[in-house]
Amino acid sequence: NAGVTQTPKFQVLKTGQSMTLQCAQDMNHEYMSWYRQDPGMGLRLIHYSVGAGITDQGEVPNGYNVSRSTTEDFPLRLLSAAPSQTSVYFCASSSTGSPLHFGNGTRLTVT
Amino acid sequence: SQQGEEDPQALSIQEGENATMNCSYKTSINNLQWYRQNSGRGLVHLILIRSNEREKHSGRLRVTLDTSKKSSSLLITASRAADTASYFCATDAAAGGTSYGKLTFGQGTILTVHP
Repeated sequence: NAGVTQTPKFQVLKTGQSMTLQCAQDMNHEYMSWYRQDPGMGLRLIHYSVGAGITDQGEVPNGYNVSRSTTEDFPLRLLSAAPSQTSVYFCASSSTGSPLHFGNGTRLTVT
Repeated sequence: SQQGEEDPQALSIQEGENATMNCSYKTSINNLQWYRQNSGRGLVHLILIRSNEREKHSGRLRVTLDTSKKSSSLLITASRAADTASYFCATDAAAGGTSYGKLTFGQGTILTVHP
């Protein structure tokens, strides 16, 4: 009963590097989403998916790509990391009528 | 842009006291949810109140919703040191009644309960 699993837990990147944050859920939820959390800002939606093969942008999508090839996985790609992307990233999943289930986050630092 | 504004930003109380946190939002909503976040962890869902409900209880939690004022409050009664955490309100304002996981979060209230 893992729920939502995010890897890695911590990551340090240099400006311009790319990387993929992994997210997997084992609850057969249709909906998955990525949020970033910055001090004093709450959580802001980056991208979301309503099912395999279907993704859309949230409030702050610039600099990030997503894909959803399976129900279980929803990776977030940083194309060319910038210091402004230093944040804590949370993946969440849900189904119709259910609340969000969150992973424990990835703490990313871009130097 | 942030839908929810929370008040206070930080709250410090003694064990056994009640804690009240407030949330205001800007647009019509389908429901409003409260989440808790322990330091270094993900958010955990506490309670959901629908737009046609005015009050809801769950254990020591009481949530109210006033859609005319676009505001909600979370009351934790008889607080414990283990309640120390950040608390966030989140609104589901999606057209058609299904958010697809798209919630808008407030900035949160940091609650500290002293033993």
